[in-house]
Amino acid sequence: GENVEQHPSTLSVQEGDSAVIKCTYSDSASNYFPWYKQELGKRPQLIIDIRSNVGEKKDQRIAVTLNKTAKHFSLHITETQPEDSAVYFCAATSTGAGSYQLTFGKGTKLSVIP
Amino acid sequence: GAGVSQSPRYKVAKRGQDVALRCDPISGHVSLFWYQQALGQGPEFLTYFQNEAQLDKSGLPSDRFFAERPEGSVSTLKIQRTQQEDSAVYLCASSLDLNQPQHFGDGTRLSIL
Repeated sequence: GENVEQHPSTLSVQEGDSAVIKCTYSDSASNYFPWYKQELGKRPQLIIDIRSNVGEKKDQRIAVTLNKTAKHFSLHITETQPEDSAVYFCAATSTGAGSYQLTFGKGTKLSVIP
Repeated sequence: GAGVSQSPRYKVAKRGQDVALRCDPISGHVSLFWYQQALGQGPEFLTYFQNEAQLDKSGLPSDRFFAERPEGSVSTLKIQRTQQEDSAVYLCASSLDLNQPQHFGDGTRLSIL
């Protein structure tokens, strides 16, 4: 089955700096890669996703890049703000192959220091 | 409501008791997923439904876990003879269809004493 590795497990940045979280996956059939933000005691919230037919996607301060050859994808947050502090999870799945469940990384706790 | 609704938000049970967790998906979403999230970990897949059909239950940890979605809307996850290792947050997610983004509920935090 799919295996997703996520790094780093914790990340502290100064407000205004950029943050980068990296994930690798094992199943070359995976074709959909969402990122979720989870605040303490709250639901995982989808913040951005990318499909394997594109290499990069951007939404305001958030961007995701995908390298299918190397089987890794990354989340980039620019101009970080204190409200970006949360745990971020990457995930992978192979839609259309009869296996639609998400396989998650272990999460990255991001702290943005004012 | 606009989002996935789960109840109860918190459940405390004694070891050996049966529990039932409810998920109300976003209106119109035909796909429904259950995940288990241990403290400090990412969610792990349990099972999913397309309408009322349970298409994959390979993630259920034992035969004490049972899920149903009889009318293709609300789903219930039942755990029989609960054990301490069942303590976790149980998350439900729904999507318009199987290849569409999944949206999560707030989860049920289950504590087994």
